[in-house]
Amino acid sequence: DVKVTQSSRYLVKRTGEKVFLECVQDMDHENMFWYRQDPGLGLRLIYFSYDVKMKEKGDIPEGYSVSREKKERFSLILESASTNQTSMYLCASSPQGGGANVLTFGAGSRLTVL
Amino acid sequence: EDQVTQSPEALRLQEGESSSLNCSYTVSGLRGLFWYRQDPGKGPEFLFTLYSAGEEKEKERLKATLTKKESFLHITAPKPEDSATYLCALSTGNTGKLIFGQGTTLQVKP
Repeated sequence: DVKVTQSSRYLVKRTGEKVFLECVQDMDHENMFWYRQDPGLGLRLIYFSYDVKMKEKGDIPEGYSVSREKKERFSLILESASTNQTSMYLCASSPQGGGANVLTFGAGSRLTVL
Repeated sequence: EDQVTQSPEALRLQEGESSSLNCSYTVSGLRGLFWYRQDPGKGPEFLFTLYSAGEEKEKERLKATLTKKESFLHITAPKPEDSATYLCALSTGNTGKLIFGQGTTLQVKP
């Protein structure tokens, strides 16, 4: 069964803390994505990666960075967490090519910044 | 600008009461239109991909259709277990990223 695993389901952090959200996929997918989901705003793309060590900004990259050192792992980093980064974070992966490949999502990481 | 709008935001149905969810879109070049289901506290789960106008796909009580401007998710004789948020998304380029609508939250009462 294909899987995208997000290491933390729930996190509570303080303003100014550095936060790491980890995502691992076991499907040998080339593409990986980080979205955030907020009520009334839907899913918005933060960053994506189509290969190891490659990254592309999505629609809302400000305040975030990413790391992809291995094909199966894609990390989202909040250098200095702020309260407006309280959200549900969703990681996804898909195979390379075509532009219409299905994204498989993880269960999500709900982050609260106090 | 590529855009996806879903309506209604929320829908309450009685068990067995059929209805449709709407996804309107504007896009420069459609690669695929996706429907996902999301249960509370979980990640979205893939339902369908539609590629061209006129295409239809079915799965149990769900049927997705596509025109050049809209997609509909028809729910026939829904059951309480169909309660979820349904998300529509577009793929418009070669990167594989999706543009999502805001979702329709469906509640089916027994």
